[in-house]
Amino acid sequence: AQKVTQAQTEISVVEKEDVTLDCVYETRDTTYYLFWYKQPPSGELVFLIRRNSFDEQNEISGRYSWNFQKSTSSFNFTITASQVVDSAVYFCALSVDFGNEKLTFGTGTRLTIIP
Amino acid sequence: NAGVTQTPKFRVLKTGQSMTLLCAQDMNHEYMYWYRQDPGMGLRLIHYSVGEGTTAKGEVPDGYNVSRLKKQNFLLGLESAAPSQTSVYFCASSGLDEKLFFGSGTQLSVL
Repeated sequence: AQKVTQAQTEISVVEKEDVTLDCVYETRDTTYYLFWYKQPPSGELVFLIRRNSFDEQNEISGRYSWNFQKSTSSFNFTITASQVVDSAVYFCALSVDFGNEKLTFGTGTRLTIIP
Repeated sequence: NAGVTQTPKFRVLKTGQSMTLLCAQDMNHEYMYWYRQDPGMGLRLIHYSVGEGTTAKGEVPDGYNVSRLKKQNFLLGLESAAPSQTSVYFCASSGLDEKLFFGSGTQLSVL
């Protein structure tokens, strides 16, 4: 069975600080996919990134960056120079098959950016 | 640019009542999903569909039924609501790239 752990339940930082959200996953499969979703106060979840297990390159998209380390089974998400609009609940998720029916979500991290 | 639309947004039921949640997507996606979100538990898959006329059970299907008579619509039914079904329900759809598009959610309370 797959498992995704987001140990940080809530994080608060002052605007413009950098913040890292941790995600640790467990799976016995060698092929898997990792995701991050953002849930702003409006409620709907928004896709941020998808990464497959064969691609350990870090990814940067604007102020967002993701650090994938198979050695520690982690897929951490960093926001640089945080802004109030980054306040949301962030979910990490894992799939071992192609198809979202096998997607396992973590319990989420609530990030609050203090102006 | 509607994306995924869920109705209703809020609903209060009494134990034993029935109701149907409607999900509509305008992206011509093959795959549609119903999730529930409970505090401290993340999202859990209730039922899903890989195409018109097909449905399958997810992680927590008991007490729910679904139908996908049209490609753009995915209905979630509660035949006899129970307090344990108090939750926030999300519909989602995806194409072949697995990127999920979510609706804005339905907050359901069962008294």
